[in-house]
Amino acid sequence: SAVISQKPSRDICQRGTSLTIQCQVDSQVTMMFWYRQQPGQSLTLIATANQGSEATYESGFVIDKFPISRPNLTFSTLTVSNMSPEDSSIYLCSVGPGLRGTDTQYFGPGTRLTVL
Amino acid sequence: GENVEQHPSTLSVQEGDSAVIKCTYSDSASNYFPWYKQELGKRPQLIIDIRSNVGEKKDQRIAVTLNKTAKHFSLHITETQPEDSAVYFCAAVQGYQKVTFGIGTKLQVIP
Repeated sequence: SAVISQKPSRDICQRGTSLTIQCQVDSQVTMMFWYRQQPGQSLTLIATANQGSEATYESGFVIDKFPISRPNLTFSTLTVSNMSPEDSSIYLCSVGPGLRGTDTQYFGPGTRLTVL
Repeated sequence: GENVEQHPSTLSVQEGDSAVIKCTYSDSASNYFPWYKQELGKRPQLIIDIRSNVGEKKDQRIAVTLNKTAKHFSLHITETQPEDSAVYFCAAVQGYQKVTFGIGTKLQVIP
């Protein structure tokens, strides 16, 4: 399986500030995904990050609030901008389906964000 | 887009009993159905998956069945153990596209 790391693992932030989350993969992947998981909830896709093109955002998520970078095939960042307590959540990056010819999607360990 | 419904949302079973979680999907183009287990504070981990050209797949105490005609698939866990306690998510995938998850089932295995 792919090795995926995220930084930071957790953070506590003040409202109105921004936090950038990093995701690193041990192999080159075409598609990376960013999810949000609120307490006790399922995973909600924020956007798909493709190398060399703009990220594709899902309904309810906008680039101004969640800008994404994808500078190469092993790395991506998600920024949570102008944070409010409602942004408190776990943010996970994932890779696949399609990694190494498989359908499987692998998840990073997640970033637990608390906004005060 | 795809919509995945999952039930029950919570499930309690006695240790040694079986647990069944059911999901339905809406888009007949979905062709891959993974199941994830998420323990408290950890990332979702793939436990078993099934492709649309297969009706059933088994891995030790875990099995998944798929009915393409009815667009539903199920996870079966036999001889449940306390370490099976977790949240389980079903999902549906079209080709190498984004994954649509169910709402999750919190399984509690009572010793």
